[in-house]
Amino acid sequence: DSGVTQTPKHLITATGQRVTLRCSPRSGDLSVYWYQQSLDQGLQFLIQYYNGEERAKGNILERFSAQQFPDLHSELNLSSLELGDSALYFCASSVVVGGTWETQYFGPGTRLLVL
Amino acid sequence: DQQVKQNSPSLSVQEGRISILNCDYTNSMFDYFLWYKKYPAEGPTFLISISSIKDKNEDGRFTVFLNKSAKHLSLHIVPSQPGDSAVYFCAAMTTSGTYKYIFGTGTRLKVLA
Repeated sequence: DSGVTQTPKHLITATGQRVTLRCSPRSGDLSVYWYQQSLDQGLQFLIQYYNGEERAKGNILERFSAQQFPDLHSELNLSSLELGDSALYFCASSVVVGGTWETQYFGPGTRLLVL
Repeated sequence: DQQVKQNSPSLSVQEGRISILNCDYTNSMFDYFLWYKKYPAEGPTFLISISSIKDKNEDGRFTVFLNKSAKHLSLHIVPSQPGDSAVYFCAAMTTSGTYKYIFGTGTRLKVLA
């Protein structure tokens, strides 16, 4: 158990719909990352938040948005869903080790299926 | 622009032998490198890391080698065990300047009993 929680575990929805994925980081971790893993694909970095502010942005579609709230939990909003958005969505939080490098702790993921 | 590449999508190794997983990067600003391991239906977990000021870091059966001039790192697992069968991701980060933390596409390792 990494200490990072994600809800829901599974989500089935239809094309055109909108969903919200939720992530609670490990206690004390200020950074939250969102990744997408499609079938047989690597981890595609979407976006990172640090203490409520966007810190880095990856290949996140305009239909997707995220935010981090004052209690540090984060939500990833996916709208106008397409079949190709079906994937495993991971959230991770990180701790800075020795003041320099970070190791990320991943949640169990949310499996999204768009029909 | 894939800044961190794992060119072998899969690798099969006999139990007890050495597994060597490779990773190449293009951005010379990366100064810290990590390996993560992922089992099916779970999130990746941190395995081992190395700073750019070193060329080798060892932790039990796992050793990571870094060749900065070639912008190449590798993970050696000796001896390989069936429980090592998983997908391995390398990651590279910057610890100063513009923040970057990039994962490779992963290599699926299968250790055959």
